[in-house]
Amino acid sequence: EAGVTQSPRYAVLQEGQAVSFWCDPISGHDTLYWYQQPRDQGPQLLVYFRDEAVIDNSQLPSDRFSAVRPKGTNSTLKIQSAKQGDTATYLCASSFMGSQNTLYFGAGTRLSVL
Amino acid sequence: AQKVTQTQTSISVMEKTTVTMDCVYETRDSSYFLFWYKQTASGEIVFLIRQDSYKKENATEGHYSLNFQKPKSSIGLIITATQIEDSAVYFCAMRENTEGADRLTFGKGTQLIIQP
Repeated sequence: EAGVTQSPRYAVLQEGQAVSFWCDPISGHDTLYWYQQPRDQGPQLLVYFRDEAVIDNSQLPSDRFSAVRPKGTNSTLKIQSAKQGDTATYLCASSFMGSQNTLYFGAGTRLSVL
Repeated sequence: AQKVTQTQTSISVMEKTTVTMDCVYETRDSSYFLFWYKQTASGEIVFLIRQDSYKKENATEGHYSLNFQKPKSSIGLIITATQIEDSAVYFCAMRENTEGADRLTFGKGTQLIIQP
């Protein structure tokens, strides 16, 4: 069974540039999460979906961040006008029927904003 | 709001010994779920073991086991017969389900170093 796939693995930007991260969850997993992990911190939830619906996006930092999952499968997280404070690893995870069940993580995208 | 606290930032032990990592949590939920994950040097996060709060028996999985002390809101991870490849950062996490939000909240992690 294929795991959670993310791309790209790395991204380096100048402040003000935009970037998109892509995630393909495990087949059959209805719940998809985006986490931000700053250096030397634990993952922090940004947004999560059940199927195509956004269930909770209250932790998205600002209107510079957006996330979609239009067909309830793959998902894209986008940062408009990146700032140095956005430097972190962005992790996608999926599960079946919510976080009472195990989340499986992708390898992450390591973002550096210069 | 939920909180997960790991006070040990780094632990170093000799290979083949037993190590315990601490985690305490705060929640208002009567039923909750606790997890331990491992993050390797490559950044990969791997699920290790879980404890459902309504279960009295401590969970075990291979050379991982949990010390669940519900009255103390504590969920320690025990690794027996440690190996070099156990060197990693270990995260404790707790599922929160309040006001319709279903979140897994992580502690800050404990770095484990296994010395040969």
